[in-house]
Amino acid sequence: AQTVTQSQPEMSVQEAETVTLSCTYDTSESDYYLFWYKQPPSRQMILVIRQEAYKQQNATENRFSVNFQKAAKSFSLKISDSQLGDAAMYFCAYRSALYSGGGADGLTFGKGTHLIIQP
Amino acid sequence: EAQVTQNPRYLITVTGKKLTVTCSQNMNHEYMSWYRQDPGLGLRQIYYSMNVEVTDKGDVPEGYKVSRKEKRNFPLILESPSPNQTSLYFCASSRGLRGEKLFFGSGTQLSVL
Repeated sequence: AQTVTQSQPEMSVQEAETVTLSCTYDTSESDYYLFWYKQPPSRQMILVIRQEAYKQQNATENRFSVNFQKAAKSFSLKISDSQLGDAAMYFCAYRSALYSGGGADGLTFGKGTHLIIQP
Repeated sequence: EAQVTQNPRYLITVTGKKLTVTCSQNMNHEYMSWYRQDPGLGLRQIYYSMNVEVTDKGDVPEGYKVSRKEKRNFPLILESPSPNQTSLYFCASSRGLRGEKLFFGSGTQLSVL
């Protein structure tokens, strides 16, 4: 079974600075997808960024970018020019590209990192 | 507007009283799933469904039931709730299974006394 580890329960950053959230995962598969979801105080789960494992190019979405290191099984999220609205829980998630049936469908979340933005 | 609608948003109940949390999506998605979120544990999958009449257990299915009689609806049933089922519940859907973005509902905060 796959596991996703977010080693930073909480991070704090000054507004306008850059912060990196860590995520590592364990898998024996070669084809999979990785995600970062944001959960603000409203509790809504919002997709931040998505990475396909077979693509070497790191995904970017405006101020959000990832550093995907497939060999190291690492998938960190970098937030540039942090804004107050970025304050939230951030979840890293792994999704297998294969469905073997008869069990969990291969979508696994980390435990989350609580990001605090200092004004 | 494309959305996943969960009801209710908040629910307080007592041990043993059967309850249903409804989930409906308007995107014609084949895949639907239920998660529970607990502090320090992240999101864990309860059940999922690949299509109508096709459901499968996730990581923490004990004490829960689901059904998928129509493509748009995927209710979560707690036949005899217990205090350890106090949690934040999310329904989610996606067009398919392989790497598709999950659309989440707004969550249901359940307290079982």
